[in-house]
Amino acid sequence: DTEVTQTPKHLVMGMTNKKSLKCEQHMGHRAMYWYKQKAKKPPELMFVYSYEKLSINESVPSRFSPECPNSSLLNLHLHALQPEDSALYLCASSQEGTNYGYTFGSGTRLTVV
Amino acid sequence: DQQVKQNSPSLSVQEGRISILNCDYTNSMFDYFLWYKKYPAEGPTFLISISSIKDKNEDGRFTVFLNKSAKHLSLHIVPSQPGDSAVYFCAADSGGSNYKLTFGKGTLLTVNP
Repeated sequence: DTEVTQTPKHLVMGMTNKKSLKCEQHMGHRAMYWYKQKAKKPPELMFVYSYEKLSINESVPSRFSPECPNSSLLNLHLHALQPEDSALYLCASSQEGTNYGYTFGSGTRLTVV
Repeated sequence: DQQVKQNSPSLSVQEGRISILNCDYTNSMFDYFLWYKKYPAEGPTFLISISSIKDKNEDGRFTVFLNKSAKHLSLHIVPSQPGDSAVYFCAADSGGSNYKLTFGKGTLLTVNP
């Protein structure tokens, strides 16, 4: 299995909703990432988990809450989002460090209404 | 401040010809560079990478050249195929325990039949 699987593929949520994005990989990668990508912009790093511990938080607002239940799973809990949070949310994983290249999931297209 | 720059937002090439995508960087700590290809509504796919100790890496139709003194790299695709039409992101890594990739804004390549 050489894939990173993200669910759901599309999500529409209201500003008062609570939802979660899920990411799963079975490549034995020990680093997992959340990225946010707006249209015509490069991916922007949000969070990095290394060995199931949060190692980087790029000053992301607390309405985004990451969770790494085990080495294969990564969640992003969403609460009280704003319309400007609408974007493609990408999960990625890699071996230790980035020299082995990331593997990205297909992303979740999030629309906040 | 953009540390990785892709100054051409778009490039159009005829099928069978060479596509050359360029990337410049400013951070001399970057020591590993990657190219990603992204189709609409999909996550980026790793294409090819190069370490700063090399000046060229080749994989099939794809070759990446690195000029460290100029802080410039380029991706050559030859021959170009219509299926190569996508957005190409250049990314850089400063290695160590820093898991963060820095992405350029991307170049939209269109290969015309």
